[in-house]
Amino acid sequence: NAGVTQTPKFQVLKTGQSMTLQCAQDMNHEYMSWYRQDPGMGLRLIHYSVGAGITDQGEVPNGYNVSRSTTEDFPLRLLSAAPSQTSVYFCASSYGGVSGANVLTFGAGSRLTVL
Amino acid sequence: KQEVTQIPAALSVPEGENLVLNCSFTDSAIYNLQWFRQDPGKGLTSLLLIQSSQREQTSGRLNASLDKSSGRSTLYIAASQPGDSATYLCAVDSNYQLIWGAGTKLIIKP
Repeated sequence: NAGVTQTPKFQVLKTGQSMTLQCAQDMNHEYMSWYRQDPGMGLRLIHYSVGAGITDQGEVPNGYNVSRSTTEDFPLRLLSAAPSQTSVYFCASSYGGVSGANVLTFGAGSRLTVL
Repeated sequence: KQEVTQIPAALSVPEGENLVLNCSFTDSAIYNLQWFRQDPGKGLTSLLLIQSSQREQTSGRLNASLDKSSGRSTLYIAASQPGDSATYLCAVDSNYQLIWGAGTKLIIKP
């Protein structure tokens, strides 16, 4: 199994450009999420989804948009990139959220630089 | 607001030593605590998950403990090896969202 696949691995954008980070999982997980990781800080939740057609905001949702049209895919859209969005982005999934015995499976990450 | 702290930020020890990594949290109302490993340029891998009703979990040379009343968890690594070099992160499930520490970067010297 491929697990959680993120593309692209690296991306450089100019301020104001838009782009989509792709995330796909083949484990039939209902829960999917996007985090960003900045130096010296813990991961911060951007958006999450508990199933197809359902999305919700996390801790830092501003400037990002998501949709969940299928169980497998959970793309993250940057609407108008800003230098403050320079970060490493991780997609993660699980069967049923983060509580109880649910364990997240992570993608390898996407490093985004906004000039 | 839940806050998670990991001290030290970095640790370097000789191979073969037993070591302890620390994780503290400010709100004891958690559902679980998890330890992850992150290798450079890669995603995170789950190591151990301790549910709120449990005191510890073990996997091979790793043992994680949880003391909710004091807001602390420790990850014990026995007989450390160079392959254990990585960043170790803890995260607590607070109100159905994971709150993360910044991690401890561990270097095991051969």
